[in-house]
Amino acid sequence: DTAVSQTPKYLVTQMGNDKSIKCEQNLGHDTMYWYKQDSKKFLKIMFSYNNKELIINETVPNRFSPKSPDKAHLNLHINSLELGDSAVYFCASSQDWYSGNTIYFGEGSWLTVV
Amino acid sequence: AQTVTQSQPEMSVQEAETVTLSCTYDTSESNYYLFWYKQPPSRQMILVIRQEAYKQQNATENRFSVNFQKAAKSFSLKISDSQLGDTAMYFCAFSALGYQLIWGAGTKLIIKP
Repeated sequence: DTAVSQTPKYLVTQMGNDKSIKCEQNLGHDTMYWYKQDSKKFLKIMFSYNNKELIINETVPNRFSPKSPDKAHLNLHINSLELGDSAVYFCASSQDWYSGNTIYFGEGSWLTVV
Repeated sequence: AQTVTQSQPEMSVQEAETVTLSCTYDTSESNYYLFWYKQPPSRQMILVIRQEAYKQQNATENRFSVNFQKAAKSFSLKISDSQLGDTAMYFCAFSALGYQLIWGAGTKLIIKP
């Protein structure tokens, strides 16, 4: 049973399209995250939700919109895709938002915008 | 501001050798947590080891151990008897109450047969 699962794993799409990435965790965690990893492997947090409420909203273009229908799910919708959005997007979760909790990652969704 | 620095962008060692990856951090907090994560070519981020700053004892997990020097703000990862499957990017990360997890830039480790 995959603890944090995200779909799709690979996504190739054209500039200007809208796409979504879905994420689910079965760990019973309260907190979920979206991270972006660029081509240089640098990890950057985008959003974090705790019990369906947005708690971290980093400087991300408003073309990116997260949605958490319940605490086990956190989806990411991206409008008007641009070439610079090409990256690996990781969903992750942790027990809660307090520091020190191990963050568990999904396998990543590799987005290529052409 | 908290920062995490990994000064070795890439390292390579022969299989079965011991390798140490360095990580330094900067903080004014006294209570915090440090992590090493591994990202193999499959891309999934996997926790290797976790250290609580208030614990003097260095954390270990099988062949993986850390050298935590709180005064020097250093948190190096030692991999003993390295194996081909240890080939991966290794990320050091820092977490303190009220702050989100801060990541280092990563060290690419290649284990050669």
